[in-house]
Amino acid sequence: DTGVSQDPRHKITKRGQNVTFRCDPISEHNRLYWYRQTLGQGPEFLTYFQNEAQLEKSRLLSDRFSAERPKGSFSTLEIQRTEQGDSAMYLCASFTLLTGELFFGEGSRLTVL
Amino acid sequence: QKEVEQNSGPLSVPEGAIASLNCTYSDRGSQSFFWYRQYSGKSPELIMFIYSNGDKEDGRFTAQLNKASQYVSLLIRDSQPSDSATYLCAVIYNQGGKLIFGQGTELSVKP
Repeated sequence: DTGVSQDPRHKITKRGQNVTFRCDPISEHNRLYWYRQTLGQGPEFLTYFQNEAQLEKSRLLSDRFSAERPKGSFSTLEIQRTEQGDSAMYLCASFTLLTGELFFGEGSRLTVL
Repeated sequence: QKEVEQNSGPLSVPEGAIASLNCTYSDRGSQSFFWYRQYSGKSPELIMFIYSNGDKEDGRFTAQLNKASQYVSLLIRDSQPSDSATYLCAVIYNQGGKLIFGQGTELSVKP
């Protein structure tokens, strides 16, 4: 499979726990985006990387959220001290300027109890 | 003003009709525009992207871009019930490359 893959697909956790999501982009894509989506809303921008550099992080994102993309390949999104309001679908997308195509992974659904 | 705006709908059209979905954006320097389809509980699926003013056609889908009016649209010809979904417009802002989505338009195609 040469698409964008995300892991885990579903995560149920208790309030206050830390969770980490992983995204493996399409190999030749150098740009990677993270989004959060709740029911009935469009995807909300969280952050994005150009290779290993994190170029922008949403002002809406609290300090509990952090993302990394070591070596410009896969990326991780960590949420510390989860809250019930963090329950959402977390989407990763990869992009290349060469073709202009931007594809999403299947998403990681987080439920915070 | 929202950065990317879409009518939330729902937009209802009969099977075989043309569905027209609209999107406006606030950053005049934006260069890249995308349309995605999203079924309930699934991730967005790329329909097409457009960079230049004018029309771009792909099968039953036509994207139209007017940068002067900061407006991009998606036409779906011969609409099918399987086209019933939420359609998301997304724009890459000129400065920095941030990709911003609209809130989506729900389309319902009635048999």
